[in-house]
Amino acid sequence: DQQVKQNSPSLSVQEGRISILNCDYTNSMFDYFLWYKKYPAEGPTFLISISSIKDKNEDGRFTVFLNKSAKHLSLHIVPSQPGDSAVYFCAATSLSGTYKYIFGTGTRLKVLA
Amino acid sequence: DTGVSQDPRHKITKRGQNVTFRCDPISEHNRLYWYRQTLGQGPEFLTYFQNEAQLEKSRLLSDRFSAERPKGSFSTLEIQRTEQGDSAMYLCASSLVTSPRDDTQYFGPGTRLTVL
Repeated sequence: DQQVKQNSPSLSVQEGRISILNCDYTNSMFDYFLWYKKYPAEGPTFLISISSIKDKNEDGRFTVFLNKSAKHLSLHIVPSQPGDSAVYFCAATSLSGTYKYIFGTGTRLKVLA
Repeated sequence: DTGVSQDPRHKITKRGQNVTFRCDPISEHNRLYWYRQTLGQGPEFLTYFQNEAQLEKSRLLSDRFSAERPKGSFSTLEIQRTEQGDSAMYLCASSLVTSPRDDTQYFGPGTRLTVL
């Protein structure tokens, strides 16, 4: 049972344009969501998070949107840069329950110069 | 560098051998997590510690796996009688939880295990 889903395994975007990565979840107990970026041979690097009490969080070029009714979150990267090329994972957890993260399977973003 | 460190970065072993991995979390982080990642998948939770107490273990963690965090600082993950299915990247993460609404986990570079 995949509680966190990233249905697009890959995405290609031109440099300077917007990248939109999507993530869906099924467990209504999740109340904290995060995005991680992963380069080959490295561990995941934290990008941005959002609590379920918010619907948007912004940090520089990265914005995460949360739609609780649709159980959907998205990561927007504007403008996209070649250095953003990596695998992006969304993760979800319940801060009122256990603290493990449930990760999606990742989306490989390629930003074309 | 004050990030999470893991040792070794790579381990190749023969089936049936025991292996041990070490994780050094970010200093003063009170939580430490172990995850396993296989090709094409996201990291899967194995276990976590609050200080030195192991509070949860996934059913993925069979009897051959044991983890310790003896002094609430570094942690070790041991796999006994390794099997080919244990081949994966083993990731460690740590966090400092000071309020119920914040548990951002910071990951180490991982230990890649190959069981021949």
